[in-house]
Amino acid sequence: KAGVTQTPRYLIKTRGQQVTLSCSPISGHRSVSWYQQTPGQGLQFLFEYFSETQRNKGNFPGRFSGRQFSNSRSEMNVSTLELGDSALYLCASSLNPGANVLTFGAGSRLTVL
Amino acid sequence: GDSVTQMEGPVTLSEEAFLTINCTYTATGYPSLFWYVQYPGEGLQLLLKATKADDKGSNKGFEATYRKETTSFHLEKGSVQVSDSAVYFCALGPTGANSKLTFGKGITLSVRP
Repeated sequence: KAGVTQTPRYLIKTRGQQVTLSCSPISGHRSVSWYQQTPGQGLQFLFEYFSETQRNKGNFPGRFSGRQFSNSRSEMNVSTLELGDSALYLCASSLNPGANVLTFGAGSRLTVL
Repeated sequence: GDSVTQMEGPVTLSEEAFLTINCTYTATGYPSLFWYVQYPGEGLQLLLKATKADDKGSNKGFEATYRKETTSFHLEKGSVQVSDSAVYFCALGPTGANSKLTFGKGITLSVRP
């Protein structure tokens, strides 16, 4: 079956712009989590969604937001981009919250100029 | 809070050498422990996991044992190959009814022919 699909894979934005990233989970998976990966901070948890509700949120400013649709697909949005938002954004899906195995997508690499 | 500490990298080995990557954790409760691997340009792949004390996870020649007494989950492989060159992340979680993983900073492994 298809894995976790993230789009776009690469994008370049300038400071002050906003960006929306998309994640389609594995069919049947209802929980979607987002992580930010940077060389300096490593992998940091952004948020988790289940049944269109945010269940858990990491320590990121309000410029970072997300949502989940009824088909479990998720989007995350970053507004007023800063240089430090340049990162690989990874989405992971699991059957349900608390499930023991997360399956990750290939990521969306955002560069902010 | 929960945290994961991995040994400093990078690590460079010759093919067929023995590999050990240290990982220790701090957590409340009894989290599951994971090793994820990231190949260049890709997302994270689950390498192995252990869900309780003394469990041994294994996959593709890699092994790690959940040691509660030393709060460790060291990754080992008896004979590395060039194709094992990647970044390795130790992670703990999830705990409770959420899917959040706490990652170590990762270590880059390079294997020379």
